[in-house]
Amino acid sequence: QKEVEQNSGPLSVPEGAIASLNCTYSDRGSQSFFWYRQYSGKSPELIMFIYSNGDKEDGRFTAQLNKASQYVSLLIRDSQPSDSATYLCAVWSGGSNYKLTFGKGTLLTVNP
Amino acid sequence: DAGVIQSPRHEVTEMGQEVTLRCKPISGHDYLFWYRQTMMRGLELLIYFNNNVPIDDSGMPEDRFSAKMPNASFSTLKIQPSEPRDSAVYFCASSPDRTSGGNEQFFGPGTRLTVL
Repeated sequence: QKEVEQNSGPLSVPEGAIASLNCTYSDRGSQSFFWYRQYSGKSPELIMFIYSNGDKEDGRFTAQLNKASQYVSLLIRDSQPSDSATYLCAVWSGGSNYKLTFGKGTLLTVNP
Repeated sequence: DAGVIQSPRHEVTEMGQEVTLRCKPISGHDYLFWYRQTMMRGLELLIYFNNNVPIDDSGMPEDRFSAKMPNASFSTLKIQPSEPRDSAVYFCASSPDRTSGGNEQFFGPGTRLTVL
């Protein structure tokens, strides 16, 4: 059973700080890693994704992969109250099956 | 682009009734996914389609659940008969073909189902 684990939180940071969200995965052969943001009562919204070959930075967001330790992280710089949401990590294991395995999410609260 | 469209947005029904949820994927996307989200279990994949063909239905909880995709622009998820434990938010998502460079999924607004 392929698993994706996240600390449920809540993770609380002050406005302007760096928020660090982590996700561990069980399948060492995983190929792609996704971060979704979900506001309360809304649907998941894709923030960014990375492949197994590198990290990615997009504005205030950086996704980093540590293949040896099998975890992926999302860093949010200059956190804003509008970043307060649940962040879902999802992993694609590659091959012909197209489905993503989602973690249960980490609730982030950014305090003004 | 209108994004993924789901209907209804809210459904309240009584135990034993049939429920049909509807989804229109993003035009040109070859993959369609049905998910269920609850506090206890998180986001669970129920079934997904590729070019209207069901590929993996291993997440469908039991025979009371069925899904169809009669054409590229429409899919249904049916629960018959419904039970209170089916209460959840049901999301539909679509994804472009992987040859475009990624398999990121785009979610619809969801249907909040309450079975009394």
